[in-house]
Amino acid sequence: GQNIDQPTEMTATEGAIVQINCTYQTSGFNGLFWYQQHAGEAPTFLSYNVLDGLEEKGRFSSFLSRSKGYSYLLLKELQMKDSASYLCAVRAADSGAGSYQLTFGKGTKLSVIP
Amino acid sequence: ETGVTQSPTHLIKTRGQQVTLRCSSQSGHNTVSWYQQALGQGPQFIFQYYREEENGRGNFPPRFSGLQFPNYSSELNVNALELDDSALYLCASSPTAVDTQYFGPGTRLTVL
Repeated sequence: GQNIDQPTEMTATEGAIVQINCTYQTSGFNGLFWYQQHAGEAPTFLSYNVLDGLEEKGRFSSFLSRSKGYSYLLLKELQMKDSASYLCAVRAADSGAGSYQLTFGKGTKLSVIP
Repeated sequence: ETGVTQSPTHLIKTRGQQVTLRCSSQSGHNTVSWYQQALGQGPQFIFQYYREEENGRGNFPPRFSGLQFPNYSSELNVNALELDDSALYLCASSPTAVDTQYFGPGTRLTVL
C-alpha cells in the first residue's frame, strides 16, 4: 500500500513564504504532484517532480528527494487568494493492472492572514 | 478551466437507489480517472479508463462501475447507494495514462 503524510493545517501571513511538507512511502514510485484546491472546487495542477531536485514555476516551487520519500511545496509572496487546500499526490505503478495509480494525501489547509 | 466537464453538478438520492455521473474529457485526452472525495479528505482513486478499457482500480466494491465511450467521455455508475457514498465525485482526464491529470468541477452527491 501507500502512505502519504502532510500537515492538516497551516497559517501564514500575506507576503510571507510558506513551505508545505509531504512524506510518502510507496513502491513503484513514478512521480509526485501538487494540486491546489479551493473550497468547493476541483483540484488544479500546480507542479510535478519525478527526479530529485527543485522545480520552480513563478511563485511556486516544488522539491523532491526520492531517497527520503520527501517533497515540499514552497509558496512565495503569499497572497490572500492562496488560501486553499494543497494536495500532495504520488503516482506509482499498479503492478497487477500494468498501469499507474495516483494516490492523494489528505491535504493541507493553508490560511493566509493579513 | 481545464476543458473537463461533469454533469450533473449536484444530485440528491436515497439509500438503495442507483446513480450515473458523466464526464467529458478534454479534447485530445484518451484517459479518464474517477475519484471520490469525502469532506476534509483527499481524493480517493476509484478507477481509470484508457481507450475504453478499465486500466486500474482502487479499493472500491463492484457496485462502483464505469464505462468509457469512443469519444473518450465516461460514466461512473453506483448501485445500491449507501449513506457513506455521499461525497464529491471528480473525474480527471489526461492525454495518456501516464500524463498529468486535469480535473473537472465535480459532482456533489448526497445520499439520504
